[in-house]
Amino acid sequence: AQKITQTQPGMFVQEKEAVTLDCTYDTSDPSYGLFWYKQPSSGEMIFLIYQGSYDQQNATEGRYSLNFQKARKSANLVISASQLGDSAMYFCAMRGGGTSYGKLTFGQGTILTVHP
Amino acid sequence: DAGVTQSPTHLIKTRGQQVTLRCSPKSGHDTVSWYQQALGQGPQFIFQYYEEEERQRGNFPDRFSGHQFPNYSSELNVNALLLGDSALYLCASSLVGLGSYNEQFFGPGTRLTVL
Repeated sequence: AQKITQTQPGMFVQEKEAVTLDCTYDTSDPSYGLFWYKQPSSGEMIFLIYQGSYDQQNATEGRYSLNFQKARKSANLVISASQLGDSAMYFCAMRGGGTSYGKLTFGQGTILTVHP
Repeated sequence: DAGVTQSPTHLIKTRGQQVTLRCSPKSGHDTVSWYQQALGQGPQFIFQYYEEEERQRGNFPDRFSGHQFPNYSSELNVNALLLGDSALYLCASSLVGLGSYNEQFFGPGTRLTVL
């Protein structure tokens, strides 16, 4: 079974500062993928970043980077230079089983609020 | 290039009724997954369709059923609605065979309220 744990129900950050959203995972699959999604109040899930379990380097996508620590089973999202539009719910998710199309298992989410 | 579309946007039903939600995948995608997201929770996987067959299923009762059409669009049917079925229902599409990385693109969701 796969499990994603996000221990921060809510986080606050000042505009232009960096913030780290925590995610730990548990799986017995040797091959898996980790995703971060942003969900604004409109409800649509917006893909942010992906990290494969065999990737040697941490993934980066613009202001988003994923701090992947495989031995600790953590995949924290770092958002640099926060913007007001970053205020949203953020979900960490995992796809296991070595497939490229399998189900995603989501965490409970973290609500990020960016203050001006 | 149209993304994932879902209809209707909102729906209100009463207990015991049946509902059908619809999803059109992103152009070029062949796989559709459905998720249920209760208020304040993360999405929960319902099932996935590929080549018009259910390929994977989450821990949901048989009241939840689906279908995929030859054009890859999909329907989610829920029978004998319960109050607990009130949620945002998300559809996600993807393309099999892209290697280890395969992003699922989500639609805007259908918000179902059961009274």
